Parts: sequence; structure tokens; C-alpha cells
Amino acid sequence: KNQVEQSPQSLIILEGKNCTLQCNYTVSPFSNLRWYKQDTGRGPVSLTIMTFSENTKSNGRYTATLDADTKQSSLHITASQLSDSASYICVVSDSTRGQNFVFGPGTRLSVLP
Amino acid sequence: GAGVSQTPSNKVTEKGKYVELRCDPISGHTALYWYRQSLGQGPEFLIYFQGTGAADDSGLPNDRFFAVRPEGSVSTLKIQRTERGDSAVYLCASSKSGQLDSPLHFGNGTRLTVT
Repeated sequence: KNQVEQSPQSLIILEGKNCTLQCNYTVSPFSNLRWYKQDTGRGPVSLTIMTFSENTKSNGRYTATLDADTKQSSLHITASQLSDSASYICVVSDSTRGQNFVFGPGTRLSVLP
Repeated sequence: GAGVSQTPSNKVTEKGKYVELRCDPISGHTALYWYRQSLGQGPEFLIYFQGTGAADDSGLPNDRFFAVRPEGSVSTLKIQRTERGDSAVYLCASSKSGQLDSPLHFGNGTRLTVT
């Protein structure tokens, strides 16, 4: 069964610090991987989309990496801000069913002042 | 511009009742998706429309769940004989083309509570 796992389940950091969130997947064959940010009570918002050939992509203070060989991705947040407090969800799609995205459970990040 | 709009934002219903959840996608987006999200979990795929047709409905849990998109824009998710286990946030998303690299734009969801 195609699965997406994320770690840690939750994370608390102080404002200004960096952090890295992990995503491991077993989806095969792989098409693309997305990271989304979901604020409480809101829908997820796309941060990055990465295809098989890409191994790093940045969006402001967010940098995503992808290792398609080991089926791992990470999301690094630099100089965290209070507004970064949210759930971060890793989403993987396979190329045979590209419209059926497999969502991870998310990592709940809390940034404290 | 307007994003994906979902109504109602909250719905409380009694077990056994019928409910309809509405999704207004971004104008011009041909692809529309429904997901269900339980507390502390990621969204779970339900159904995907390309235009008016359901291209993939493999995520619908049983025949109590049905969705339509008659004119290729607004979609309605219909749940018959609701059960307490149906309680969740129902998210709708749209994308411009449904291509693999086309980002999903989500609404804020409808929180369904079945009592």
C-alpha cells in the first residue's frame, strides 16, 4: 500500500530558530512530491512541488529537498516566525494515478516567542 | 481573486440524515477534488473531477457518498444516512488543468458533525 510517513509528529521551537521536517514515502512509481502548510481551521496551501529530477527547491525561508533513491524528503525552515506555526503536510503522487495524491499525517509545528 | 469557496463552513446533523456540501472552485479550474480530514490526520482522497465527469472516485468509502459537478464548475458532495463516523472536515480543492505539476488550491473546508 502506498504510504507517506512524517516525523516528528509535533515540534516546538523558539522564534528565530531553524528546523527540519522529514517525509518518507513508499509511493511507487513516483511522480511528484509536494509540501503544504495548513493553518488551523484553514485549507492546505502549497509551498513547493518537486518532480523526480529535482533534489532541492526553495520558497523564501522554506527549502525542500528530495532524494528519490531513498524516497525521503525534508522541509527546512530558516529563521522561524510565529506565523510558521501550522501543520506541514507532505503529499506524494504516483505516475500511474497522478490525480490520486497520498497525503502524510503532517507535522504540527509550534513556534514560541 | 476569489479562492475556492466551501459552504457551509460548519454543519451539524443527526445520525441518519442527508447532507449536501458545496464547493465553488476557482474560475477556470477544470480539475476539482474532494478530501476528508480527521483531526490530526492528513486529507484522505475521496473523488476527482475533470470537467463534469468523475475521473477517479476510488476514494469514496461506500455508496452513501456521492458527488456531482453538472456544469463543470460548482460541485456538491452528498452523504446519505449519515453516521457518526462521517464526522470530519471535508476539503475541496481545484487546480487549473489537473496536470501533475499543477498546484492544488484548497478551500477552508466544511466541518461536518454527526450527532
